[in-house]
Amino acid sequence: QQQVKQSPQSLIVQKGGIPIINCAYENTAFDYFPWYQQFPGKGPALLIAIRPDVSEKKEGRFTISFNKSAKQFSLHIMDSQPGDSATYFCAASRELGKLIFGQGTTLQVKP
Amino acid sequence: EAQVTQNPRYLITVTGKKLTVTCSQNMNHEYMSWYRQDPGLGLRQIYYSMNVEVTDKGDVPEGYKVSRKEKRNFPLILESPSPNQTSLYFCASSLATGVLNTAFFGQGTRLTVV
Repeated sequence: QQQVKQSPQSLIVQKGGIPIINCAYENTAFDYFPWYQQFPGKGPALLIAIRPDVSEKKEGRFTISFNKSAKQFSLHIMDSQPGDSATYFCAASRELGKLIFGQGTTLQVKP
Repeated sequence: EAQVTQNPRYLITVTGKKLTVTCSQNMNHEYMSWYRQDPGLGLRQIYYSMNVEVTDKGDVPEGYKVSRKEKRNFPLILESPSPNQTSLYFCASSLATGVLNTAFFGQGTRLTVV
């Protein structure tokens, strides 16, 4: 019940495409859903996060869509660029709880 | 500059030789944790610490030890490393757990045990 399942494991898109990464969770007590971005040789860094009281959050070209009833959330990257090539992790936690990370998605954006 | 600093960045060692990976943060964060990253498995928490002298096991604690004698430091100790501990390790800190837990990660330590 603590798991967060992320898919796909890897993704290749052309520049300008819209990659979508999906995550699903079981624990309905989770109330914080962040996405972390990791470039090669670096540690993950917070990209964007959402609380379950909203269905969508947008920051620049990055959008989180949240479906509470389906217990799913996804990351969309609009007008993707080669500089977006990285590994993306979804995560979930509940208040006073630890972050549970998904398995990660390696994204490659081709020029 | 706010940061989490891990050392060393790369380490090759032999089975059974004790090693310590250091982690230090300069943000006065209470919560610190160690993760290991393996392909297809994501980030798995090894140990965490809610504050000085308060540590607890994460999801994969076997073969590891930690200590938190000072707020800023949280070293990871492998008393007798084995090849299955070959991995990429990350230290992270955050102001608190739960909804305030934007985790700040170090640069990572790539450990190879032969």
